[in-house]
Amino acid sequence: QSILMQPPSVSGAPGQRVTISCTGSSSNIGAGYDVHWFQQLPGTAPKLLIYGNINRPSGVPDRFSASKSGTSASLAITGLQAEDEADYYCQSYDSNLGGSELFGGGTKVTVL
Amino acid sequence: QITLKESGPTLLKPTQTLTLTCTFSGFSLTSNGEGVGWIRQPPGQALEWLAVIYWNDDKEYSSSLKTRLTISKDTPKNQVVLTLTNMEPVDTGTYYCAHRGPYNNYAMDVWGQGTTVSVSS
Repeated sequence: QSILMQPPSVSGAPGQRVTISCTGSSSNIGAGYDVHWFQQLPGTAPKLLIYGNINRPSGVPDRFSASKSGTSASLAITGLQAEDEADYYCQSYDSNLGGSELFGGGTKVTVL
Repeated sequence: QITLKESGPTLLKPTQTLTLTCTFSGFSLTSNGEGVGWIRQPPGQALEWLAVIYWNDDKEYSSSLKTRLTISKDTPKNQVVLTLTNMEPVDTGTYYCAHRGPYNNYAMDVWGQGTTVSVSS
């Protein structure tokens, strides 16, 4: 069981909005450490989608947005497209782990 | 343009030591703030962070694998090496290296393609 909890799956029809939660604790997200989000298309390496809680690297569509509040973070995809079908991971740092970083368990986004 | 590529053995026997090399270009591990990390992914499972090394030789390790992991850098060769001792079948998976720098809040912004490692007797 991951320390950063994500729903195993979410789904939506094309054009809809979906959100993925990433729930942590006071030793990671709640302690103010950055949350980053990654997209992993089938059979490929992960790709940085969001860094520093809310920032999109150049080239990432503005359909992807993220937020952070308290001990949780979330990723939103608006105007869902077929190409968004992938696994999504949140990632942060935990002070209880002796200076260790960690990923969430991942969320599979299915476009219906 | 930053690129990274992982290399190493594809098949190991239990108790052997895994040595992986990440060869990169487009940045230098002599530059302030630059780092390279390792991440792995068992088949069909989630990503697992392993270790990171920075330009100043600071290193951090996964708390659950700390006793088995070593990360080092060969700056002139633009390489980072990860060793994982006492390999077991549960260590089977794809191993990735990734760049991290100060521009993107030290997020892992560029990843290698990954290398697959299988552990079996």
